[in-house]
Amino acid sequence: EAGVAQSPRYKIIEKRQSVAFWCNPISGHATLYWYQQILGQGPKLLIQFQNNGVVDDSQLPKDRFSAERLKGVDSTLKIQPAKLEDSAVYLCASSLSLASGNNEQFFGPGTRLTVL
Amino acid sequence: GENVEQHPSTLSVQEGDSAVIKCTYSDSASNYFPWYKQELGKGPQLIIDIRSNVGEKKDQRIAVTLNKTAKHFSLHITETQPEDSAVYFCAAAFENNDMRFGAGTRLTVKP
Repeated sequence: EAGVAQSPRYKIIEKRQSVAFWCNPISGHATLYWYQQILGQGPKLLIQFQNNGVVDDSQLPKDRFSAERLKGVDSTLKIQPAKLEDSAVYLCASSLSLASGNNEQFFGPGTRLTVL
Repeated sequence: GENVEQHPSTLSVQEGDSAVIKCTYSDSASNYFPWYKQELGKGPQLIIDIRSNVGEKKDQRIAVTLNKTAKHFSLHITETQPEDSAVYFCAAAFENNDMRFGAGTRLTVKP
């Protein structure tokens, strides 16, 4: 079974530039999560989708971050414009569905973003 | 919202010894408590989890205990091996599988 795929693996940009990350969840997983992991900290949830609908985006800085999952499969997270403090690893995870009662989240390898 | 505290932040043990990592959570509605292992350059990988209706769970050298009254849970690794060296995260999930993570414990197993 293929795991959660993310690209790119690394990205270096200058502040005020834009960047986008892509995630393809495990096939059949209805729930998709984007996390931000700052160096030395645990992952912090940014946004959660169930199919193509947003379940929770309360911790997403909406003035600069946006995410979409238009067809309920893969997802894109965008930052525009980037700030120095956005330097982090962006992790995508997926799980079966909220209705399944199976909470296990499977994580991708992450995208390491460096903002200069 | 949920707040998860984890300690210690670093832990060094000799190969073959046991390692214990502890976490506390704040939201009594939390009902799922996973533990993740994260190796350098990789995403977190689930190693064991426990639900709120269970007090203890074991899988070979790894065990997790949960005290719902005190709102704390612990990871126990016995007979540690060098390949157990990694960063370990606890987490607590409540409504909609909203998961909050601890800050992590860097475990070093010295051969």
